Parts: sequence; C-alpha cells; structure tokens
Amino acid sequence: DQQVKQNSPSLSVQEGRISILNCDYTNSMFDYFLWYKKYPAEGPTFLISISSIKDKNEDGRFTVFLNKSAKHLSLHIVPSQPGDSAVYFCAASAWSFGNEKLTFGTGTRLTIIP
Amino acid sequence: DTGVSQDPRHKITKRGQNVTFRCDPISEHNRLYWYRQTLGQGPEFLTYFQNEAQLEKSRLLSDRFSAERPKGSFSTLEIQRTEQGDSAMYLCASSFTGYGAETQYFGPGTRLLVL
Repeated sequence: DQQVKQNSPSLSVQEGRISILNCDYTNSMFDYFLWYKKYPAEGPTFLISISSIKDKNEDGRFTVFLNKSAKHLSLHIVPSQPGDSAVYFCAASAWSFGNEKLTFGTGTRLTIIP
Repeated sequence: DTGVSQDPRHKITKRGQNVTFRCDPISEHNRLYWYRQTLGQGPEFLTYFQNEAQLEKSRLLSDRFSAERPKGSFSTLEIQRTEQGDSAMYLCASSFTGYGAETQYFGPGTRLLVL
C-alpha cells in the first residue's frame, strides 16, 4: 500500500527553466510534508517542508505547494541549476496524531540539462 | 556544526554473519530514527528512539534485528544471521521534539552487501 506516490520516475529540465516535481498521498492523517534531495551514495538532504495549515512555503529557489483537497503537493525549483540534478523524495508524517515517522515516495530523478 | 554521522559507510559480509552499525545524531537531538532503503525505493521506517526509549518498531524489523540507544546519544543497529535480502542502505536520522512538527536530518547511510 503506497501511501505516498511520486508517479514520475524521472524528469529532464533545461538549465534556467522551472522544474516541477509532483507527489500524491492517500492517508488523510498526514499533516506535515517534506522534500528531500539525494545524491548517489549519500543520505537524503532536507530541502523544504510544509504543514497542512498552509498551502505554500517558499525558501529561495524552492517553493512547495500543498492542495489538501486533492491530496497533492508539488515542489517548484526556479531557476533550475545543474547542481539540482539528483533524486528528490517526497515524505509525509502525521505529527499532530503523534506519528512522526516519515513515509516516503519512490523518488523522482531530476536531470538539469546545461 | 556536525550533522548525523554513521559508521561504517560500507559493509560487505557473508550470509549468516552478524553486523553492527553505529549512528551518532546531532548533539541536541533527542529523537533518533532508523530507515532502510533498497534500490528504486524510498527509505522505509524501521524503528525510533526518544532519548534511550525505543518507542516504535516496524513490522519490517524481524527478530534478527535489534537496535539500542543506551545513553540517549548514539545508537547501534545489529543484524544477526544476515540474509541476502538484508542488502540495502541503512539510514539514520535525528530530530528535536519541540513545538510543532519536527524535521528529520539524515546521515550518509551505511550500505550493506550480503554475499
């Protein structure tokens, strides 16, 4: 039962353009969402998060949007840079229910084309 | 500022051997998590500690797996009688519980290969 889904295994974007990564979830108890970036042979690096009381959170080039009614979130990276090439994981927790463990999607491999 | 560290980074072992991994969390963090990641999948939760207490274990954690955090600082994850299916990246994360949702910060992982 995949509670967090990233349906695009890969995405290629030209340098300087916007990258949009998508994530869907099924568990209504999820109320905290995070995006992590992962390079090969390294652990995931935290990028940005959003609580379910918000619909947008921005940090520099990264913006996360949350649509609770659709159970959908997206990560926008603009402008995309070559160093952004990595695997991006969406993760969710039900923190207000005392369940802080993270449930991850399967990841989207982003390739930025110079 | 030191992040989460894990040791060793790589481990190759033969089936049936025991292995132990260590995780040192960020110093002020009171929660410590273990996850496992296999090829093509996202990390999957194994277990977590708040200080020295182990609060939850996943069904993925068979009786061959044991984790400890004896003094509420570093943690060890031991796998007994390893099987080829145990080959994976073992990730440790730590966080601080305060007001609001916590963010987990991950270490570099220990890649285990069971031959």
